[in-house]
Amino acid sequence: EDQVTQSPEALRLQEGESSSLNCSYTVSGLRGLFWYRQDPGKGPEFLFTLYSAGEEKEKERLKATLTKKESFLHITAPKPEDSATYLCAVPPLGGATNKLIFGTGTLLAVQP
Amino acid sequence: NAGVTQTPKFQVLKTGQSMTLQCAQDMNHNSMYWYRQDPGMGLRLIYYSASEGTTDKGEVPNGYNVSRLNKREFSLRLESAAPSQTSVYFCASSEWGGLSSYEQYFGPGTRLTVT
Repeated sequence: EDQVTQSPEALRLQEGESSSLNCSYTVSGLRGLFWYRQDPGKGPEFLFTLYSAGEEKEKERLKATLTKKESFLHITAPKPEDSATYLCAVPPLGGATNKLIFGTGTLLAVQP
Repeated sequence: NAGVTQTPKFQVLKTGQSMTLQCAQDMNHNSMYWYRQDPGMGLRLIYYSASEGTTDKGEVPNGYNVSRLNKREFSLRLESAAPSQTSVYFCASSEWGGLSSYEQYFGPGTRLTVT
């Protein structure tokens, strides 16, 4: 069964304390991995697309990387405004275009 | 651009009541989606519409119906609400086909409670 697992479930950091979030998947023949950010009470917001192993994408203090089995979202010197839930998602094998399997997310809290 | 809008923002229903959640997008996207989000379960796809005139079941379609009214609008109907349908519902839209189809734009959500 296609699965996406994110860890940790929750992470508390001090402002400036760098760390990484993990997204592992079991889908064969990966057709891309997608990161989203969700603020409390809002819908998810698209962040990154990673298509092949070794690929990296950056946006401000965030850098996403992809291997054959997992993806990492590295947060460098985070600020309180980076606090949110970070979701990753992959297309299921054999699924129609557009369909995504989402992980349950990592809730990040950055304290000043 | 407003992006993806949803109405209502909050709703409380009694078991057995019906209601329709409305969604509209102004990005000229072909594809639209309805998800539900529950604690510990993540986002799960209820129904989607790849393009105007088509709809397909997602992971959890039971108890729901959808209508793609036109390219802009996609509604979700609960015919006889059950407490298990208490959730946050999100509508999303995207381009059709290729990697851009996975770059989905979400609305602000509808928080539904069924008592």
